[in-house]
Amino acid sequence: RKEVEQDPGPFNVPEGATVAFNCTYSNSASQSFFWYRQDCRKEPKLLMSVYSSGNEDGRFTAQLNRASQYISLLIRDSKLSDSATYLCVVWGAAGNKLTFGGGTRVLVKP
Amino acid sequence: DTAVSQTPKYLVTQMGNDKSIKCEQNLGHDTMYWYKQDSKKFLKIMFSYNNKELIINETVPNRFSPKSPDKAHLNLHINSLELGDSAVYFCASSPTYNSPLHFGNGTRLTVT
Repeated sequence: RKEVEQDPGPFNVPEGATVAFNCTYSNSASQSFFWYRQDCRKEPKLLMSVYSSGNEDGRFTAQLNRASQYISLLIRDSKLSDSATYLCVVWGAAGNKLTFGGGTRVLVKP
Repeated sequence: DTAVSQTPKYLVTQMGNDKSIKCEQNLGHDTMYWYKQDSKKFLKIMFSYNNKELIINETVPNRFSPKSPDKAHLNLHINSLELGDSAVYFCASSPTYNSPLHFGNGTRLTVT
């Protein structure tokens, strides 16, 4: 089992719809969690950190479920500009370092 | 502009050559990294330096040698390039070793 796993997608989402996807991690001792966004042929950029109580940033909501060892990202009212690959990043999944998931590709269509 | 900058953006070279990629950050961060993103888009850490000291050295061929002259710079030298080295190499920095990363815009290396 990979330390950090994501459904690669793509998730095809109509504009204005809601989409949600998860990321599972294998090490229960993992400490910090983040969502990054990567556009095609660009560098990853931090979208949001994920806090234990869950957190929201505009149309984006992140949740952490420690019991089941996954984090989730929900995007409401999807925009065409939300089309990207969303990378789950976990600190402590495999030693004292950040480990990236393989990414979930989201395509928002008109 | 505050940023992580790496050069060159594109690098095309032949097998067997030696090449370097430079990285500089002016964010005042203590920790810098090199990541490799292969054709399957997986991002894997190669090296991490904290205040010029090597703290992470993943299973990377010793043809790859990082050098950190000061905490704002982390360069990557690659000897005897192989076809399998073709990838995008990202430099990154963070305030501490477990903080979110700020990435440079990548160096696309193609070995022919």
